[in-house]
Amino acid sequence: DAKTTQPPSMDCAEGRAANLPCNHSTISGNEYVYWYRQIHSQGPQYIIHGLKNNETNEMASLIITEDRKSSTLILPHATLRDTAVYYCIALNTGTASKLTFGTGTRLQVTL
Amino acid sequence: EAQVTQNPRYLITVTGKKLTVTCSQNMNHEYMSWYRQDPGLGLRQIYYSMNVEVTDKGDVPEGYKVSRKEKRNFPLILESPSPNQTSLYFCASSLSAGFWEQYFGPGTRLTVT
Repeated sequence: DAKTTQPPSMDCAEGRAANLPCNHSTISGNEYVYWYRQIHSQGPQYIIHGLKNNETNEMASLIITEDRKSSTLILPHATLRDTAVYYCIALNTGTASKLTFGTGTRLQVTL
Repeated sequence: EAQVTQNPRYLITVTGKKLTVTCSQNMNHEYMSWYRQDPGLGLRQIYYSMNVEVTDKGDVPEGYKVSRKEKRNFPLILESPSPNQTSLYFCASSLSAGFWEQYFGPGTRLTVT
């Protein structure tokens, strides 16, 4: 699985968009970009995933660059409950069931 | 409500005393797995199960056993716990192996003294 790199921490004001970047320059053609988050030692929660097209669901949007070497997770209107560690990982279908989180980005949403 | 449950949520035990952490899901998922999470080491898979009676080792299986006799349950057994098994444990399930979304339980914080 391709290595991903994320900033260790970010801040965001409540109500503003939170843009979380992720670099995955060695991603291969069959690897998807997944995002999970973990709120204070609770069980991780799936957010979104994509291959090369931008994706949106009720939680977030995922923007993947055309060369697929980086992506951005967008929480359009961050709330205090979005304070969590966000993990970006690259997986192919064969390994999608074995999650290996790195250190992720700790997002702090403030008033 | 669709969920994965784990019990107990917190456990303090002594070296060598056998214990079982239960995991149950109500979503009729085929795939289930156990992870442990440690500071600085991230999330690591212990065992997984593709379906009833089908289990296999993950990355860190030593010292653990599992069984999958029913689709909904996937208990984690520590026959002789040691202090290096002190960790935060998560059970997860998904519709099938390779399915994009995994559902995680709330976690079990285990301390072995």
